[in-house]
Amino acid sequence: DGGITQSPKYLFRKEGQNVTLSCEQNLNHDAMYWYRQDPGQGLRLIYYSQIVNDFQKGDIAEGYSVSREKKESFPLTVTSAQKNPTAFYLCASSILAGGDNQPQHFGDGTRLSIL
Amino acid sequence: AQKITQTQPGMFVQEKEAVTLDCTYDTSDPSYGLFWYKQPSSGEMIFLIYQGSYDQQNATEGRYSLNFQKARKSANLVISASQLGDSAMYFCAMKDGNNRLAFGKGNQVVVIP
Repeated sequence: DGGITQSPKYLFRKEGQNVTLSCEQNLNHDAMYWYRQDPGQGLRLIYYSQIVNDFQKGDIAEGYSVSREKKESFPLTVTSAQKNPTAFYLCASSILAGGDNQPQHFGDGTRLSIL
Repeated sequence: AQKITQTQPGMFVQEKEAVTLDCTYDTSDPSYGLFWYKQPSSGEMIFLIYQGSYDQQNATEGRYSLNFQKARKSANLVISASQLGDSAMYFCAMKDGNNRLAFGKGNQVVVIP
């Protein structure tokens, strides 16, 4: 089945540690996105990538880093510089051709907590 | 900058009744797309329906329809014949020229039997 796989589902981090969240898609989508969701809030864009080896900062990129070495993969690293990393992280992908009506498709998310 | 506003408090709706979720937006772009997503308690985001700014007709998709009023900059979602499985958060989002989505804060819907 085609889809977006995020792992792990739950992740715990000690203060001062970097952690990497995985996102893989087999939909052959060009663009990939990372969002953060805090309780009772909407999604905020962290980073996005429209092509391999290129990515752009979103609205809340500070304390995060990404890479896009393969079309299928867009891992997110939460660094120790991110002071409040506890949140729900969602990865999405979309095709770029075909017009504005192409939706983003989402993975099941990763819940990150600080120990 | 684009902005999406969803301000309704949590809503209770009787099973089989219709419910309308409000969404207003603000943009200076003449061309834009509006999306609604459903987020159940499990967390995944499920795409429901799309409305383009130049679409002449309101979008419909099964039990979901959009009441699109361009002059008022509103794109309200109507869910007809509510089912227990419709209990979720619902998010309105707008796509900008860089294919980025800006999300509102969501509307909570609880369907009661």
